[in-house]
Amino acid sequence: GENVEQHPSTLSVQEGDSAVIKCTYSDSASNYFPWYKQELGKGPQLIIDIRSNVGEKKDQRIAVTLNKTAKHFSLHITETQPEDSAVYFCAASRKTGRRALTFGSGTRLQVQP
Amino acid sequence: DGGITQSPKYLFRKEGQNVTLSCEQNLNHDAMYWYRQDPGQGLRLIYYSQIVNDFQKGDIAEGYSVSREKKESFPLTVTSAQKNPTAFYLCASNQEGTGYGYTFGSGTRLTVV
Repeated sequence: GENVEQHPSTLSVQEGDSAVIKCTYSDSASNYFPWYKQELGKGPQLIIDIRSNVGEKKDQRIAVTLNKTAKHFSLHITETQPEDSAVYFCAASRKTGRRALTFGSGTRLQVQP
Repeated sequence: DGGITQSPKYLFRKEGQNVTLSCEQNLNHDAMYWYRQDPGQGLRLIYYSQIVNDFQKGDIAEGYSVSREKKESFPLTVTSAQKNPTAFYLCASNQEGTGYGYTFGSGTRLTVV
């Protein structure tokens, strides 16, 4: 089955700096890669996603890049703010067979004011 | 407003007891999922259901059971066979059983005492 690895497990940045979180996946049939943000005591919320026919997608301060050849994708947050502090998860799913999301292990991002 | 409701928010169980976690959605979604979240391990898939009266095991189904008698409801029973049940449990739903458009509940924290 699919295996998604995520790094780093914790990340501390100064307000205004950029943050980058990286994930790799193992199943070449995976074609959908969302990113979720989870605040303390709450369920994860989708912040951005990318499909395998696209190399990059941007939404204001956040962007995701995908390298299908290397099987890795990354989340980029620019001009970080204290409210960006949370746990971020990457995930992957495939188009056929078992299509449920497989998640990475999470990154705890701390933005220091 | 449509959404997905998990109850209770906190649950305490004595060793050797079965306990059932509730998950209800009014989004008219066909598919529903149960994930377990442990620190540093991300979200791991327990069971999922793509249609009423049908469900499949995920990656860590041992010690758990589910039912899907109604489209709106997908309860999870943690049995006494689950050796380490203390965790945060998340329910999710989406329309078509792929990775797209997950809506998560706010979770149930189960503690064995």
